Amino acid sequence: NAGVTQTPKFQVLKTGQSMTLQCAQDMNHEYMSWYRQDPGMGLRLIHYSVGAGITDQGEVPNGYNVSRSTTEDFPLRLLSAAPSQTSVYFCASSYRQGARTEAFFGQGTRLTVV
Amino acid sequence: GNSVTQMEGPVTLSEEAFLTINCTYTATGYPSLFWYVQYPGEGLQLLLKATKADDKGSNKGFEATYRKETTSFHLEKGSVQVSDSAVYFCALGGTYKYIFGTGTRLKVLA
Repeated sequence: NAGVTQTPKFQVLKTGQSMTLQCAQDMNHEYMSWYRQDPGMGLRLIHYSVGAGITDQGEVPNGYNVSRSTTEDFPLRLLSAAPSQTSVYFCASSYRQGARTEAFFGQGTRLTVV
Repeated sequence: GNSVTQMEGPVTLSEEAFLTINCTYTATGYPSLFWYVQYPGEGLQLLLKATKADDKGSNKGFEATYRKETTSFHLEKGSVQVSDSAVYFCALGGTYKYIFGTGTRLKVLA
């Protein structure tokens, strides 16, 4: 059971570089989202998607782009990395069946921008 | 807007001690409530959940009851183990938007 797979697990970028964090899920979930985790701040929502071709901004979207061309994949792009984007990034996929819902998280990507 | 307030950590307990981690929420409507656990170096795992008022979620000896009258979802365990050392997150919502508390680090000493 793969669940939600994130790559890479660790990354160091120089300020101004770009990169894409990959996220894939094999549970056929409609909903996917990206969070960042910072000390003392819990997890904050960056972007989310309610289905292929549909994305929207979360709480902290600036500096990040997303797209959702397939149900399985939801990559997060940093166009010009900044030190403020040093964080741990989590991708999640979720479902809803009536009142039942649950989110499944990837293992995280630890990103350092120097 | 919706929000989750969780007790500050870290919490340090001896093995077999009783654990309570407080969580209160502000929300419109009737959201689902969750506790997630994060072990060192790992992602978040669902520990337990409750979907409506008075529901009790339970798993691995942990329990939490959805209290609408006090807008709370406190996590409890009667006897903690060293292996319970982790960060615990209370969360609100569901589907694609989850709102998390800041997390409470628990350290259990042998």
